[in-house]
Amino acid sequence: DIQMTQSPSSLSASVGDRITITCRASQSIRSSLNWYQHKPGIPPKLLIYAASTLQSGVPSRFTGSGSGTDFTLTISSLHPEDFATYYCQQSYNALTFGQGTRLEIK
Amino acid sequence: QVQLVESGGGVVPPGGSLTLSCAASGFTFSTYAMHWVRQAPGEGLEWVATTRYDGSNAYYADSIKGRFTISRDNSKNTLYLHMNSLRGEDTALYYCAKDMGLREFWTGDLDSWGQGTLVTVSA
Repeated sequence: DIQMTQSPSSLSASVGDRITITCRASQSIRSSLNWYQHKPGIPPKLLIYAASTLQSGVPSRFTGSGSGTDFTLTISSLHPEDFATYYCQQSYNALTFGQGTRLEIK
Repeated sequence: QVQLVESGGGVVPPGGSLTLSCAASGFTFSTYAMHWVRQAPGEGLEWVATTRYDGSNAYYADSIKGRFTISRDNSKNTLYLHMNSLRGEDTALYYCAKDMGLREFWTGDLDSWGQGTLVTVSA
């Protein structure tokens, strides 16, 4: 099974900050990596698929990069609505989610 | 627009059974793979199962293999999760989710999700 490890597990930041979340796969998953945003009481939202493709309707301040085993999600300038939990997920072999990164307001 | 509505959750004793349903609308259900994903209280997201667009193949997480069965009725636009031998660790909010890829080209990218249905396994 492919394991996904995110870091950090939690992050405190301010509106306007640039933040980066990393995700590492236990083996190469090529570019089969997705990012989701999850807020309490709301279903997860697909932000980025295939490592770097922005889902329709997602603001351009979100960018994804990486391939193989190492991936990043960057938010260039935090908006108030961006404070949430973010998950990476591989789709190379079955599906596996990372443990999540909780982004909190400083 | 895509709408997914889960139902069937509830309280069930350990060892019991339950069947979840997910009613789909707003897209051609029979042409997309579908998934179940769960979130235990205070925990992260966990993939549970996937069914191909035509129901010809199913894939399961090791944690539920042999106990849960995913199925679909394309004539009713409905996805199911049949859960047997339930354990305390199966307590979770269960989401159904639509795959982004069409027919056999399913991708594992989950582009639409329902609101979830809560399953509580407790005596």
